[in-house]
Amino acid sequence: GAVVSQHPSWVICKSGTSVKIECRSLDFQATTMFWYRQFPKQSLMLMATSNEGSKATYEQGVEKDKFLINHASLTLSTLTVTSAHPEDSSFYICSARYLAANEQFFGPGTRLTVL
Amino acid sequence: EDQVTQSPEALRLQEGESSSLNCSYTVSGLRGLFWYRQDPGKGPEFLFTLYSAGEEKEKERLKATLTKKESFLHITAPKPEDSATYLCAVRASGYQKVTFGTGTKLQVIP
Repeated sequence: GAVVSQHPSWVICKSGTSVKIECRSLDFQATTMFWYRQFPKQSLMLMATSNEGSKATYEQGVEKDKFLINHASLTLSTLTVTSAHPEDSSFYICSARYLAANEQFFGPGTRLTVL
Repeated sequence: EDQVTQSPEALRLQEGESSSLNCSYTVSGLRGLFWYRQDPGKGPEFLFTLYSAGEEKEKERLKATLTKKESFLHITAPKPEDSATYLCAVRASGYQKVTFGTGTKLQVIP
């Protein structure tokens, strides 16, 4: 149980284009979802927290207009990187938590490379 | 501000050589302490949640323990497939997010 998927697993795009990453909870209803970014050999950096049907709460220093997060249903959240640039290249990981749970369950991650 | 410090940063063990990873934390009202395993290029895999001092949980060769200031992940007779980065995280009462440590990279040599 508690399986989270991400799509795509990797994506390469040109500078200036937008990229959408999907995060789905496959066997539970995710009332809260989180988006993280991870640089090589570093720990997870929380970008934003979203509750189903509400606007996401972004961490300090994360550009809301650049990283658009939507949590429109209890099983799906999306992260759109708008006008991507090479410095946005990173490993993006989502996680999900169901109501009353303490643990987060992570997706497999998406490797984004911006050329 | 919640803080999580993990040590050592890296640990190299011979197969069968037991050891412990440390997670020191400060949090205003612990709601939960979590251990995850992360393999290269993958998302973290949930291992344990600990809620209060004195609690212990086991899974195969892993055992997690908790005190008021730190948690230990004991690895008994590790195998090469236990090689991974182990992450510790805490969640404070009343907050949605968790604070992660920087992890301990474990390498088990055959």
